[in-house]
Amino acid sequence: KAGVTQTPRYLIKTRGQQVTLSCSPISGHRSVSWYQQTPGQGLQFLFEYFSETQRNKGNFPGRFSGRQFSNSRSEMNVSTLELGDSALYLCASSLGGGGSPGNEQFFGPGTRLTVL
Amino acid sequence: SQKIEQNSEALNIQEGKTATLTCNYTNYSPAYLQWYRQDPGRGPVFLLLIRENEKEKRKERLKVTFDTTLKQSLFHITASQPADSATYLCALRDFNKFYFGSGTKLNVKP
Repeated sequence: KAGVTQTPRYLIKTRGQQVTLSCSPISGHRSVSWYQQTPGQGLQFLFEYFSETQRNKGNFPGRFSGRQFSNSRSEMNVSTLELGDSALYLCASSLGGGGSPGNEQFFGPGTRLTVL
Repeated sequence: SQKIEQNSEALNIQEGKTATLTCNYTNYSPAYLQWYRQDPGRGPVFLLLIRENEKEKRKERLKVTFDTTLKQSLFHITASQPADSATYLCALRDFNKFYFGSGTKLNVKP
């Protein structure tokens, strides 16, 4: 079974630009969660999608948005990029929502975003 | 919101010894607590999940305990090997949001 894939793996943007990251979950998984990882803040929850609906959202500004398609693939968008958005963006898929037995999260390799 | 604390200092141990990592949380106890391993440049990998009514969970050389009174989970690796060197993260779900600790880096020296 193929794992979680994320594209692109690396991205360099300048301040003010916008970016779209993509995540393909494990086949059969309906939940996709997004995280931002930085050395200073660690792994921080951005949002979770389940069956095309945003189920939960972390404490990030509205510049961070996402969506999920009918095939469970998900995209994350960051508009008006700031230097502080430089981070590793990880997505994780699970069957029905991470956290409970049988719904463990499987992470992708991440997209390394650098904002100049 | 929930806050998770893990020792930010690296843990250095000798091969063959038992490594013990600590995870403390601040709010009410979650129904489940998870442990992940993360290698540099890669996403976390799920290792173990323990329920609030389970005191201990084992998987091969790994053992996790969960003390809801202390609001603490301990993660043990017995007979540690250099290949166990990585950052270990604990995580829990609280009000449908996922919280991760900052992780503890484990270095196992041969």
